[in-house]
Amino acid sequence: AQRVTQPEKLLSVFKGAPVELKCNYSYSGSPELFWYVQYSRQRLQLLLRHISRESIKGFTADLNKGETSFHLKKPFAQEEDSAMYYCALSVSLSARQLTFGSGTQLTVLP
Amino acid sequence: DAGITQSPRHKVTETGTPVTLRCHQTENHRYMYWYRQDPGHGLRLIHYSYGVKDTDKGEVSDGYSVSRSKTEDFLLTLESATSSQTSVYFCAIGQGGDEQYFGPGTRLTVT
Repeated sequence: AQRVTQPEKLLSVFKGAPVELKCNYSYSGSPELFWYVQYSRQRLQLLLRHISRESIKGFTADLNKGETSFHLKKPFAQEEDSAMYYCALSVSLSARQLTFGSGTQLTVLP
Repeated sequence: DAGITQSPRHKVTETGTPVTLRCHQTENHRYMYWYRQDPGHGLRLIHYSYGVKDTDKGEVSDGYSVSRSKTEDFLLTLESATSSQTSVYFCAIGQGGDEQYFGPGTRLTVT
């Protein structure tokens, strides 16, 4: 069965510092990986997906199949980036199920 | 926000009572999902639906049942609530692609 691991429950960085949220996965097939974000008092929403290779709000994530990782990075953190971040893996079954990691609460300090 | 609503938004109930949570969508999406969110566990899939009257179990389905009699509604029932089912419940919808759209959540407390 697939599994997503986010080793850091809490992460604090100062404004302007680089930030990296770690995500590792285990899956025998070809994975599709995502990052979802939940800002305070807002709904969980998609931040980015690996297949689009885009940068959203300055965040990027590269799928490393050799290390089975999909770390989320931003070179200069902003206070508005403070949120709960979830890494998720898509399984190609009939209903496109997502398996989520346990989440990392990012706090960007002023 | 995508047209997803959940009701009730908050509920306190006693152990042993049945509870039904409702998810309603106005997007005509085929797929609907119920998750629970718990500290240290992230979001875990309870049940999902891939069409009217078509449902299947997720990772943590024990003690829960679902029904989908219309495209727009997906009901989650706790047959006999237990304290371990105290959680925040999220409904999500999708079109079979990769992105899921989430509802605002329902905070359930079982005393």
